[in-house]
Amino acid sequence: KAGVTQTPRYLIKTRGQQVTLSCSPISGHRSVSWYQQTPGQGLQFLFEYFSETQRNKGNFPGRFSGRQFSNSRSEMNVSTLELGDSALYLCASSLNQFVGYTFGSGTRLTVV
Amino acid sequence: DQQVKQNSPSLSVQEGRISILNCDYTNSMFDYFLWYKKYPAEGPTFLISISSIKDKNEDGRFTVFLNKSAKHLSLHIVPSQPGDSAVYFCAASIAGGTSYGKLTFGQGTILTVHP
Repeated sequence: KAGVTQTPRYLIKTRGQQVTLSCSPISGHRSVSWYQQTPGQGLQFLFEYFSETQRNKGNFPGRFSGRQFSNSRSEMNVSTLELGDSALYLCASSLNQFVGYTFGSGTRLTVV
Repeated sequence: DQQVKQNSPSLSVQEGRISILNCDYTNSMFDYFLWYKKYPAEGPTFLISISSIKDKNEDGRFTVFLNKSAKHLSLHIVPSQPGDSAVYFCAASIAGGTSYGKLTFGQGTILTVHP
């Protein structure tokens, strides 16, 4: 079956702009989580959605937001981009946490 | 506050030998642990997991050991193969409650298996 699909794979944005990243989970998976990976901070949890509701949020500023649609697809948005937002953004989906989370290949965001 | 630590940034092993990757955690609330493997330009791939009610879980060449009293877990790969060369991440979670979807990751260990 198809894995977790993230689009686009690469993005270059300018400081101050906003960006929207998309994630399509594995069919049947209703939980979608987002992570940011940077060389300095490693993999950090952004938020989790289940049935269109945000159930959990990490320690990121309000410029980072997300949503989930009725088909479980999810988007995350970053407004007023800063240079430090340059990172690999990963989406993961799960049937339930005890079978592990399946990650997408990520979106590489570069802010210039 | 780094709650999950992988103290060895890298590990080099000969093909056919055992690879042992270690992970320590500080939060006693963690009750579910996972190992992921990651290649460059790809997302992490789930390898194996273990619940805190167990002390060992095996899946083929991969075995994870959990020592709750020491807050330590390890991943054993036997025998190691060159295709195992990747970055390995340890992750921990708290089942249920308000910790939905949140995995706390270590910084990763780069494993290199030499032919």
